[in-house]
Amino acid sequence: DVKVTQSSRYLVKRTGEKVFLECVQDMDHENMFWYRQDPGLGLRLIYFSYDVKMKEKGDIPEGYSVSREKKERFSLILESASTNQTSMYLCASSPPDRKNQPQHFGDGTRLSIL
Amino acid sequence: AQTVTQSQPEMSVQEAETVTLSCTYDTSESDYYLFWYKQPPSRQMILVIRQEAYKQQNATENRFSVNFQKAAKSFSLKISDSQLGDAAMYFCAYKGYGGSQGNLIFGKGTKLSVKP
Repeated sequence: DVKVTQSSRYLVKRTGEKVFLECVQDMDHENMFWYRQDPGLGLRLIYFSYDVKMKEKGDIPEGYSVSREKKERFSLILESASTNQTSMYLCASSPPDRKNQPQHFGDGTRLSIL
Repeated sequence: AQTVTQSQPEMSVQEAETVTLSCTYDTSESDYYLFWYKQPPSRQMILVIRQEAYKQQNATENRFSVNFQKAAKSFSLKISDSQLGDAAMYFCAYKGYGGSQGNLIFGKGTKLSVKP
């Protein structure tokens, strides 16, 4: 089975801090994604990456950046955390688009910014 | 741009009964994939069922089946013989066939409660 591991289930940080959310997958997937999940809004794509050192903006990239130095790891960075970034963050991975394969998700990180 | 709409924020079903969750989508593409994901409380989001748009036959996975109406752009999920473990958020998702690296477009979700 595909395993997508997010480094923290719960995280509390302060306004203005630089926050790192880490995600690792063990299936050699090319594609990796970061979503934000808020009640009533569903999942919204922040950033995705289809290869090492490659990244693309999703629907809501403002206030975030990402890093993909190794194929298995995709990091989400909040450059200067703000209270409106309090949310559930989900990481996912999938094989290249030529294959009809779903995305596989991690357990999520519930981030609170105080 | 494609959109996915789940018109039922919450649904409730009695254990052992059948429930149908609605999903509609908007697209100009002719080839695409549709998915239903389940997210139990405080647990990982998992795939329930998938449907390729070029297949006319509705997908089925045990107690889960879909009613795919391509012309109507409708993709509903039917859960038969509902169990307490089916209680979860359910998300409908769309992926274009030639879409950008497998990006999914999600609906806002339906919270399903199962009554014993």
